[in-house]
Amino acid sequence: GDSVTQMEGPVTLSEEAFLTINCTYTATGYPSLFWYVQYPGEGLQLLLKATKADDKGSNKGFEATYRKETTSFHLEKGSVQVSDSAVYFCALNPWGAAGNKLTFGGGTRVLVKP
Amino acid sequence: EAEVAQSPRYKITEKSQAVAFWCDPISGHATLYWYRQILGQGPELLVQFQDESVVDDSQLPKDRFSAERLKGVDSTLKIQPAELGDSAMYLCASSLAGDEQYFGPGTRLTVT
Repeated sequence: GDSVTQMEGPVTLSEEAFLTINCTYTATGYPSLFWYVQYPGEGLQLLLKATKADDKGSNKGFEATYRKETTSFHLEKGSVQVSDSAVYFCALNPWGAAGNKLTFGGGTRVLVKP
Repeated sequence: EAEVAQSPRYKITEKSQAVAFWCDPISGHATLYWYRQILGQGPELLVQFQDESVVDDSQLPKDRFSAERLKGVDSTLKIQPAELGDSAMYLCASSLAGDEQYFGPGTRLTVT
């Protein structure tokens, strides 16, 4: 079945450092790919998405490119802030799925220190 | 800004007791989802509703879990009897016609 694998955390960074969170997936066809963020005590929020190969999703300084050849959707940000401390989830919606049936990775906790 | 509401935010119950969670989706959102998120893991879909109908409940442990959305608006998820392994965060989400899912703050359940 479909699955999403993320790098394990926690990832600890200093403010203004470069952030990369690796995400790879297993699925048939061309799933849609998402990054969600969960701040402490809150629900998940959609950060960005890409619906076809080579698409780049971007939001709030974060970017991720849909790489079909490597089945990857790595999340990057050039200069993190303390406010970026959160848990980040990579997810996919299967190709041709009726409705939005998300399969999530295990999450990566990011801690940014001042 | 419209939000998905959930209550209670926290619930502690003893095993073998019954427990219920409530979710009020964003107004007009026809699709409603219930997820279970075990600590340190990603959310897993339990049940998906389209209006008042169940679209997918393949991962719902039906011997003890039930979900309803009688009028196609708010929804209730029930566990009876609760087991220790049910301790988790229960998340509700809603969406418009399969578009972006909007998540509520969740209910953290602890079974003792």
